[in-house]
Order: sequence, then C-alpha cells, then structure tokens
Amino acid sequence: GAGVSQSPSNKVTEKGKDVELRCDPISGHTALYWYRQRLGQGLEFLIYFQGNSAPDKSGLPSDRFSAERTGESVSTLTIQRTQQEDSAVYLCASGWGGANTGELFFGEGSRLTVL
Amino acid sequence: AQTVTQSQPEMSVQEAETVTLSCTYDTSESDYYLFWYKQPPSRQMILVIRQEAYKQQNATENRFSVNFQKAAKSFSLKISDSQLGDAAMYFCADTPGAGGTSYGKLTFGQGTILTVHP
Repeated sequence: GAGVSQSPSNKVTEKGKDVELRCDPISGHTALYWYRQRLGQGLEFLIYFQGNSAPDKSGLPSDRFSAERTGESVSTLTIQRTQQEDSAVYLCASGWGGANTGELFFGEGSRLTVL
Repeated sequence: AQTVTQSQPEMSVQEAETVTLSCTYDTSESDYYLFWYKQPPSRQMILVIRQEAYKQQNATENRFSVNFQKAAKSFSLKISDSQLGDAAMYFCADTPGAGGTSYGKLTFGQGTILTVHP
C-alpha cells in the first residue's frame, strides 16, 4: 500500500487476555519501529527492527511484550496477559533506515483498551 | 542518552497570526537530525519539518520554519499565517545520524497542543 497500515484500529480486551497488533510497513522500508502513546502523552519507544532483526528492544516494558517481523515486511506486536496499564495507542512507523532522511512514516495506530 | 523537552503543554493562536512552539534537546551525539511532527485527531503522525544538525541554515517548509540554535540545543517551530487545519498536537523529536548509538530511533518530546481560533 501507499502508507503504513495497522490493524486492528481499535481493540477492547479483558485483563489477562493476549492481543496481537499488526503493522504493514511501506514497501521497501527496511526499518520498522513500534511506539506506545498513552492518552495525552508523548511517544514511548518500544522496539526497532532493521530487516527482521531487532537491534534495539530496550523499550519493551516487560517480558509480556514481544514483537517479530517477517523479512522486511509485516511486524506483529504481541502483549500477553494484558493489564489495564497496557491501555494506549500503539503506533508503528517505517523508514529507509538510511542517513539521508532519518524520517519515519507512521500508521494511524491501534488503540488498545484493557478492561 | 537523548532527551527532548517541550515546555509548553498547550498553545493557542488566532487564525492568520504567527505562533512559535519551543523545544530543547540534549544529546551526546555529534551528528543528529531534528524533526517536528504533527499529530491531528486522526492520530497519524505527519512530518512537518526536518533539520540536519550539521547545517547552520534554518529549515523552512512553506509557512513552517525553525529557529535552530545548536549551542543552546534549542529547536523551535514557527508557524506563520496560522490556519484552522494547523490545529493538532505537535511533537519535537531527534535521532542520531549514521554511526550513532541509537541510529534511526526517534526520541520524542511530550508534545504541545496547538489550538487555532477563527
């Protein structure tokens, strides 16, 4: 597609359930990022992929959070045993990973609500 | 480590007037990029303007310009002739250049909500 696509757009789940959030980056982008944005807050870095390897996982808040990426394509962020504090918008972004721009292109995010 | 600080949680401006949003940053990198992103209610982050730290000239994109003060680590955004469509949350961000310890990873400020009054 022309832009970064994320699904689902909205997800409501019960505490303790597992959720999967999907990101389709722009074709050809080697770099992919996941950020978390709590209501009224800035963006909190979670994880970065270069191709299908994750050189920086430093932002994952706990071992309940994991992510994977297939080649230079789709990425999935999985949250196990969700807690209420996981409620947020999860934003995915992709980029060329090169020094020429540093620019990232964002999806519209997946809003997660944990009841 | 990098930090980005936006000290103005909210700003407002009259349509057609000029407004300046403030941002300061702290980085140990010698090469880095600075950005302003806009986030309208649709949630999608949109790049407004980009500045390469090694360039002394301030970036300009139509009605948007920056005042980049490298020594002071300041990177403010000026919006001229404000329009109703400029209303959004604005985020300042930085990222190291190639070879940096966290290359490609954007660090964001907390954001400034801009309201434009007709």
